[in-house]
Amino acid sequence: GAGVSQTPSNKVTEKGKYVELRCDPISGHTALYWYRQSLGQGPEFLIYFQGTGAADDSGLPNDRFFAVRPEGSVSTLKIQRTERGDSAVYLCASSSLQGTEAFFGQGTRLTVV
Amino acid sequence: EDQVTQSPEALRLQEGESSSLNCSYTVSGLRGLFWYRQDPGKGPEFLFTLYSAGEEKEKERLKATLTKKESFLHITAPKPEDSATYLCAVQGHTGGFKTIFGAGTRLFVKA
Repeated sequence: GAGVSQTPSNKVTEKGKYVELRCDPISGHTALYWYRQSLGQGPEFLIYFQGTGAADDSGLPNDRFFAVRPEGSVSTLKIQRTERGDSAVYLCASSSLQGTEAFFGQGTRLTVV
Repeated sequence: EDQVTQSPEALRLQEGESSSLNCSYTVSGLRGLFWYRQDPGKGPEFLFTLYSAGEEKEKERLKATLTKKESFLHITAPKPEDSATYLCAVQGHTGGFKTIFGAGTRLFVKA
């Protein structure tokens, strides 16, 4: 596609439920990043994929968070047993080469009630 | 630990009033410093990458510069459409390709 696509754009879920957030990167981009952004803050790094493998998952806050990229393209961020503190905008970005500029999607606004 | 601090938190300018945004960083070996623009409700939009001290890049009314400890985003004769949040981010050699963002500077330009 022309840009990074994230679905859904908005997600409201109840505390304790499981959610999946999807990211379609720019075609051909091998690097894919997930970030979380709270109001008034910059994006907070969660995980980075190079191809199919998670090259750096040091930003995942705990074991309720998991991400996959099975075919090296689409990625899914999975959150188990959601908590109100997980409410934020989840951003996905992709880049053609490691260390170069990243192109961001519009984000998924997750609200846990 | 890699760290980025941006100042001021918010900046209000009149149209045509030039100014600068600051990004101070601490990183173990800079791989790259990035500037992004973010409009409300949207993802960040890439502006510049700087790799080494002394480097400068320009785009329209924006100019980014880099020293060993900080970067500046200079805005010349801003227009209302330049109003946005400007984010600075760094990648360090020891952090892999993990990108650390600052909290941003919210710029308001009044006509």
